[in-house]
Amino acid sequence: KAGVTQTPRYLIKTRGQQVTLSCSPISGHRSVSWYQQTPGQGLQFLFEYFSETQRNKGNFPGRFSGRQFSNSRSEMNVSTLELGDSALYLCASRSRLVSSYNEQFFGPGTRLTVL
Amino acid sequence: AQSVTQLGSHVSVSEGALVLLRCNYSSSVPPYLFWYVQYPNQGLQLLLKYTSAATLVKGINGFEAEFKKSETSFHLTKPSAHMSDAAEYFCAVSENNAGNMLTFGGGTRLMVKP
Repeated sequence: KAGVTQTPRYLIKTRGQQVTLSCSPISGHRSVSWYQQTPGQGLQFLFEYFSETQRNKGNFPGRFSGRQFSNSRSEMNVSTLELGDSALYLCASRSRLVSSYNEQFFGPGTRLTVL
Repeated sequence: AQSVTQLGSHVSVSEGALVLLRCNYSSSVPPYLFWYVQYPNQGLQLLLKYTSAATLVKGINGFEAEFKKSETSFHLTKPSAHMSDAAEYFCAVSENNAGNMLTFGGGTRLMVKP
């Protein structure tokens, strides 16, 4: 079974631009979460989607948004990029099966650099 | 509100020595606790989880952790370190058994000396 895939793996943008990152969850997983990882703030929860609906949201400004499609694939968008948005963005998917209900499977991440 | 503190951002051990990575948590409700490992240029992989069943939890790769409510701790141990254990380790807490909306500690980078 293929793991969580994220595209692109690396991205360079300039301040003020916007960016869209993509995540394909493990087949059959309908929950997708996004996390930001930076050296200064560590790993922080951004938001979670299930069945195309945002179910939970972390403490991030409105410039950070996301969506989920009917095939469970998810995208996150960051508008008006700031230098501080440079980070590794991790996507994680979760199964609804009882046996692995609370296990999140993480993708390799997208490394975003804002110049 | 919940939080996680990992004591020691870097830990160095010799191959074959005991590994002990410390994690203390703060949670207003009974916590669900997790340890994840991150190898360079990779995402996080779940090592083990505590979900209010047995307080001693065994995970993959020979790791285990003990939940101690009185000490609000969930330290990760491995009897004998292997070179392949060199990685960054994250302790995380969730306030629900879905294990989502994780709050992570700052991470501990484990170095293993030959």
